Amino acid sequence: NAGVTQTPKFRVLKTGQSMTLLCAQDMNHEYMYWYRQDPGMGLRLIHYSVGEGTTAKGEVPDGYNVSRLKKQNFLLGLESAAPSQTSVYFCASSRAGTADGSPLHFGNGTRLTVT
Amino acid sequence: AQTVTQSQPEMSVQEAETVTLSCTYDTSENNYYLFWYKQPPSRQMILVIRQEAYKQQNATENRFSVNFQKAAKSFSLKISDSQLGDTAMYFCAIRLGSARQLTFGSGTQLTVLP
Repeated sequence: NAGVTQTPKFRVLKTGQSMTLLCAQDMNHEYMYWYRQDPGMGLRLIHYSVGEGTTAKGEVPDGYNVSRLKKQNFLLGLESAAPSQTSVYFCASSRAGTADGSPLHFGNGTRLTVT
Repeated sequence: AQTVTQSQPEMSVQEAETVTLSCTYDTSENNYYLFWYKQPPSRQMILVIRQEAYKQQNATENRFSVNFQKAAKSFSLKISDSQLGDTAMYFCAIRLGSARQLTFGSGTQLTVLP
């Protein structure tokens, strides 16, 4: 059981370049999320999705776009990377509803450096 | 909007001793869930323990337990018999019953000393 898989694990971009982070989950979860982690700031929500074909903005959405064409996949795109987007990015998924709090299951993160 | 505050950026404890990490939160809702996640140097986010706000009994998971004070909006994590493998960043998080996402605190870096 792979859980949540993120690719790539590491990436270096130059300012202005674009890239897509891939996230796949095999738990049949309805909800998926993209967070970024920066020192001293915890994890902040970028975008999330509550189902195939739907997405919503989180706390820090500017400079990012997402797509959820299939239930198991959630893609995060950077159209024109900036140094401020240097961070560790986490994908997560959870069941719908809150019967047991529906904890998030996380991927192992992607370290992105923008020079 | 809900907020989560972890006021201790760093803590250390001797192996086999007990340590308590603090967390306070703010929400106007009555239905919510609280979580502690652990992030070791491997970067993996691991669920440690969860607490439903409507339950008065404090949650426990082996050496990990919480002290949930709903009126004070406090949710501290106690680690007993600390082990070297407990060295990690610990994040407190809240999920409102009406929300789909978790809101995280800024984290506490715990170091267990041999």
